[in-house]
Amino acid sequence: DQQVKQNSPSLSVQEGRISILNCDYTNSMFDYFLWYKKYPAEGPTFLISISSIKDKNEDGRFTVFLNKSAKHLSLHIVPSQPGDSAVYFCAASGIGTASKLTFGTGTRLQVTL
Amino acid sequence: DTAVSQTPKYLVTQMGNDKSIKCEQNLGHDTMYWYKQDSKKFLKIMFSYNNKELIINETVPNRFSPKSPDKAHLNLHINSLELGDSAVYFCASSQDPLDRGRYNSPLHFGNGTRLTVT
Repeated sequence: DQQVKQNSPSLSVQEGRISILNCDYTNSMFDYFLWYKKYPAEGPTFLISISSIKDKNEDGRFTVFLNKSAKHLSLHIVPSQPGDSAVYFCAASGIGTASKLTFGTGTRLQVTL
Repeated sequence: DTAVSQTPKYLVTQMGNDKSIKCEQNLGHDTMYWYKQDSKKFLKIMFSYNNKELIINETVPNRFSPKSPDKAHLNLHINSLELGDSAVYFCASSQDPLDRGRYNSPLHFGNGTRLTVT
């Protein structure tokens, strides 16, 4: 049962443009959401998070949007840079399961010159 | 100044063998985790320890046994390895278990151990 879904396995964006990565979830108990970035042969690194009391959180070039009614969140990267090329994982935790993060399968972003 | 380090990076072994993966964190965190990333790229939690106490034990075969000698170390021992155990195993740590102070306590991951069972 895949509770966190990233339906796009890959995305290619030109340098300078906006990258939009999407994530859907099914568990209505999830109330905290995170994005992790992973380079090859490295572990995931925390990027940005959002709690369900907000619908937007911004950190520099990265913004996460949360639409609770649609059970959907997205990560916007503006402007995209070649160093942003990586796999991005969406993760969620919730009431009663807060110690466990449930991850999506990731979206591979390639930023081209 | 590696924050979460795990060894070895690669591990190739035959079915039926017993192997261990070691993990150490120098962040002063209280909680450590083992995650498994399978061939379908799912990252799933296996175990979590808080101050040497087991707090999460997912449905994992009892051939897998975590051991935490102190809060900076969490090792994973696997007995009687099977082909299906082939995966990348990630160690992680956080300041608090994610149900306390979690909004300020993301996971810090190690670089993973790729286990191949032949």
